[in-house]
Amino acid sequence: KQEVTQIPAALSVPEGENLVLNCSFTDSAIYNLQWFRQDPGKGLTSLLLIQSSQREQTSGRLNASLDKSSGRSTLYIAASQPGDSATYLCAVSTGGSEKLVFGKGMKLTVNP
Amino acid sequence: ETGVTQTPRHLVMGMTNKKSLKCEQHLGHNAMYWYKQSAKKPLELMFVYSLEERVENNSVPSRFSPECPNSSHLFLHLHTLQPEDSALYLCASSGGSEQFFGPGTRLTVL
Repeated sequence: KQEVTQIPAALSVPEGENLVLNCSFTDSAIYNLQWFRQDPGKGLTSLLLIQSSQREQTSGRLNASLDKSSGRSTLYIAASQPGDSATYLCAVSTGGSEKLVFGKGMKLTVNP
Repeated sequence: ETGVTQTPRHLVMGMTNKKSLKCEQHLGHNAMYWYKQSAKKPLELMFVYSLEERVENNSVPSRFSPECPNSSHLFLHLHTLQPEDSALYLCASSGGSEQFFGPGTRLTVL
């Protein structure tokens, strides 16, 4: 059974720091991996999608990498801002593209 | 705005009530999903519909009944719920690999 882990559960940093968010999964036979952002009481916003054949994806200040063989993904946030404060969730698609298995998320607070 | 809308945004119901959650997607996708998000737990997939046919029922109790009348609309009919069913219910759609989520319905069962 696929399990997704995000450690730590919460992180508080001063503005301007470069951040690394970690995600690990137990079964390397994934279809793709997706990083989401969730603001309090809101739905999920897709940040980056990495197909299983890819190593990384970039969007603005965000860069996500995927190492399938070791069961790890990293979301890198450059020059963090208070507006980046949110919960970040990692999810892997397994058993076909339809099933997403989520981690519990990491709550990020960026202090001005 | 992700192109996926959900109504209502908040719902309070008693255990004997019957209510429905609605999801609509304006993205031309062919698959739609219901997820449950409870405090301190990962998002749980409940149902998957592909081309209006249910392809996944993730061991969800029968007090939750999904309906997909067409590729743009998805409903979740609720009846005789329990207080532990209180959660954020999220709808998503996809046309390929990436899933797009709605804002969710915050459900409280008294």
